[in-house]
Amino acid sequence: EAGVAQSPRYKIIEKRQSVAFWCNPISGHATLYWYQQILGQGPKLLIQFQNNGVVDDSQLPKDRFSAERLKGVDSTLKIQPAKLEDSAVYLCASSGQGVADTQYFGPGTRLTVL
Amino acid sequence: AQSVTQPDIHITVSEGASLELRCNYSYGATPYLFWYVQSPGQGLQLLLKYFSGDTLVQGIKGFEAEFKRSQSSFNLRKPSVHWSDAAEYFCAVPGKKSSGDKLTFGTGTRLAVRP
Repeated sequence: EAGVAQSPRYKIIEKRQSVAFWCNPISGHATLYWYQQILGQGPKLLIQFQNNGVVDDSQLPKDRFSAERLKGVDSTLKIQPAKLEDSAVYLCASSGQGVADTQYFGPGTRLTVL
Repeated sequence: AQSVTQPDIHITVSEGASLELRCNYSYGATPYLFWYVQSPGQGLQLLLKYFSGDTLVQGIKGFEAEFKRSQSSFNLRKPSVHWSDAAEYFCAVPGKKSSGDKLTFGTGTRLAVRP
């Protein structure tokens, strides 16, 4: 079974530029999550999708971050414009809808904002 | 709000020694609890999870964890550490009693292994 795919793996940009990350979840997984992991901290949820609808985006800085999940499969997370404090690893995870289902994580995208 | 605390930021053990990583939770009811491991440059991999039933949970790579309600703890253990276990370990709890919900992670414990 293929895991969660993310691209790119690494990205370096200057502040005020824009950037986009892509995630392809495990086939059949209805729920998709984007987490932000700042160095030295645990991951923090940015947004959660159930199929193509948003379940929770309370922690998403909506003035600069946006995310979409077209057709309930792939997802894109965008930052525009980027700030220095956005430097982090962005992790995508997916899970089914059952009580026993677990979140499976992709390798992440490491973003450096200069 | 549900939360987990990992009191140890960094732990160093010798190869072959036993290991215990601490996790304390704050939750309104019997929680679901998870331990994940993150190797350098990798995503998070699930080691084990507790939902209900037997309070001693076996996981992958020889890890186990014990749920202790009286102490609000879910400590991770391994009897003999291997050099490949060097990584960062995260305890996590979901926002509601379902594994299909966002996870709240602790700050992590970084494990170093002495040869």
